Formats: sequence, structure tokens, C-alpha cells
Amino acid sequence: AQSVAQPEDQVNVAEGNPLTVKCTYSVSGNPYLFWYVQYPNRGLQFLLKYITGDNLVKGSYGFEAEFNKSQTSFHLKKPSALVSDSALYFCAVHLVYNQGGKLIFGQGTELSVKP
Amino acid sequence: GAVVSQHPSWVICKSGTSVKIECRSLDFQATTMFWYRQFPKQSLMLMATSNEGSKATYEQGVEKDKFLINHASLTLSTLTVTSAHPEDSSFYICSADRQALTSGGGEQYFGPGTRLTVT
Repeated sequence: AQSVAQPEDQVNVAEGNPLTVKCTYSVSGNPYLFWYVQYPNRGLQFLLKYITGDNLVKGSYGFEAEFNKSQTSFHLKKPSALVSDSALYFCAVHLVYNQGGKLIFGQGTELSVKP
Repeated sequence: GAVVSQHPSWVICKSGTSVKIECRSLDFQATTMFWYRQFPKQSLMLMATSNEGSKATYEQGVEKDKFLINHASLTLSTLTVTSAHPEDSSFYICSADRQALTSGGGEQYFGPGTRLTVT
């Protein structure tokens, strides 16, 4: 079965420090991987995706993610965290169907950045 | 671009009544829209995939007769919670994908969500 896992429910980082939010996946075939961010009482915002090509993917708000096939991981990173990055982050795998592909989400990781 | 709206943003209804939630893609056409349910600080649970002009595809365990989905046009999908009960109280979120993954897209654009409280 296709799935993604986020092993950490919460990540705490000091402002200015680098941050990593972990994601591992289990898919048959080529993985299509996404990261989304959710602020309180809001919908999700797309950050970045890996479809093919370079393993390092750059996205919105200074975030990037590294696709690692051997470790089946797609960790989200940012060199210098901001307090405003505090939110709920979701990793997702895309299942391609003939008409629209559905996303399967990980359980989410709450990122807290302290001043 | 790629803005998705939802209406209402929050609603309170009495047990036994029905509630309709609208999801609109404002600046693009969406052949497919998705409906999710989210409990506090938990992940999104896909309820159904809504296809314009055809019946929705429901995920296992989701009651079709309770959660009625209509995708009337390329910019509008509605979710009606029928005979609502307190356990239906939740945050409902819709999304749409503007371009198929096989065409370089695949990312979904999400509405802001609707908070439903059933008393």
C-alpha cells in the first residue's frame, strides 16, 4: 500500500537555526512527493514537490526538500528558521489515476520556532 | 492564480438538519475536486473525489448517503452533510488540482476550510 510517514509529531527549533521535518514513503513505482503547510484554521498551502530530476527541490518561503531513493525519504529543510514558520507540515504522496490523482497525507508534524 | 474558496467558513447547525458546503475554483477550471475531513491537530482524511459531470468516488468507510457530493460545473463542487449529528462536527476542506501530474502539475490547491459544529 502507498503511504507516507512523518515520525515526529512535533519539532522545536530556535529562530535562526536550521530546521528539518522528516518524511519517509512507501510506494510501488515512481514516487511523486509533496510538502504542504497548514496555518491554524486554514487550508493547506503547497510548498514544493518532487516528480523527477534533481533530488534537491526548492520551494516556497525558502524551504527545500531532498529526495533520497535509497532511504525512501523526502525530508523538508530550511537553513534558517523564522518564528513565522511555526505551523503544521504535511508530507504527501500522489497517486496517479486516469482522472485526477489523489494525495495520501502523512500524519503531520507541528513545527514550533521560538525566538 | 489557483485560488480555491469555500463557503461558509463556519456553520453551526442543529442535529438532524442538513448543511451544504460550497467549494469553488476562482481562477481555473477543475475537472476534479477533493473533499477532506480533518480533526484537530490530525491529518487530512480523504472523503471523496468529485468529478465534474459524474458521480463522486467515495473512500472506504465514507457514507455516500450521508455526505452527498455534487460537482455541477468545472468551478463548483458541493458537499451536503445530511441529517447531521454531533459526531459530524469537524473541519471540512476541499481542494482542486489545476493540472494533471502527468502534465507537470499534480499539486492540489486547497480551500480555507469550513468548520462545522452540530449541536
